[in-house]
Amino acid sequence: NAGVMQNPRHLVRRRGQEARLRCSPMKGHSHVYWYRQLPEEGLKFMVYLQKENIIDESGMPKERFSAEFPKEGPSILRIQQVVRGDSAAYFCASSPPRNQPSTDTQYFGPGTRLTVL
Amino acid sequence: DQQVKQNSPSLSVQEGRISILNCDYTNSMFDYFLWYKKYPAEGPTFLISISSIKDKNEDGRFTVFLNKSAKHLSLHIVPSQPGDSAVYFCAASAISNTGKLIFGQGTTLQVKP
Repeated sequence: NAGVMQNPRHLVRRRGQEARLRCSPMKGHSHVYWYRQLPEEGLKFMVYLQKENIIDESGMPKERFSAEFPKEGPSILRIQQVVRGDSAAYFCASSPPRNQPSTDTQYFGPGTRLTVL
Repeated sequence: DQQVKQNSPSLSVQEGRISILNCDYTNSMFDYFLWYKKYPAEGPTFLISISSIKDKNEDGRFTVFLNKSAKHLSLHIVPSQPGDSAVYFCAASAISNTGKLIFGQGTTLQVKP
């Protein structure tokens, strides 16, 4: 059973470009969470999605950031017009549906390290 | 507003001894607590969790203790091994709040041979 997959692992963008980060949850998991880790800090929640629905986006910056989890395919975190302050590690986590045991344990992918030049 | 705090940025212990990592929280709505271990350039790896209805959970060398009245939890690793050297994050969630995890700042554990 493959774990949470994220790609790319490293992404370099120039200021003003767009960044697209992808996340494929573990098999059987229907909940996806995105977190951001700035240098020397802990992980901060950004957004929680289920298939075709955004459940909680209270941690998302109001502008330039968006996320989706379509019926088919991976979850995408999109950052438009990137700025240097967006440089961070972005982690995706997934968890099982709520009607299964251990529903609250989130399993993390390896992360995407975004560098904005 | 830091709802989950790990006040010790680093901890160094000798191989074979006990490592104790501490975590404090302020939000009484939290009902599920987790510890993750993280190596550089990797994602956090789930270690152990505890529900608020329990005060202890054990898994091999890892034991988590929860003191709800003090809003404090700790992770005990015994015996400590050099491979345990990593950053340890404490995290908390509330079912009533979509289950998103609130993380502490992390504690870097170094286990010396």
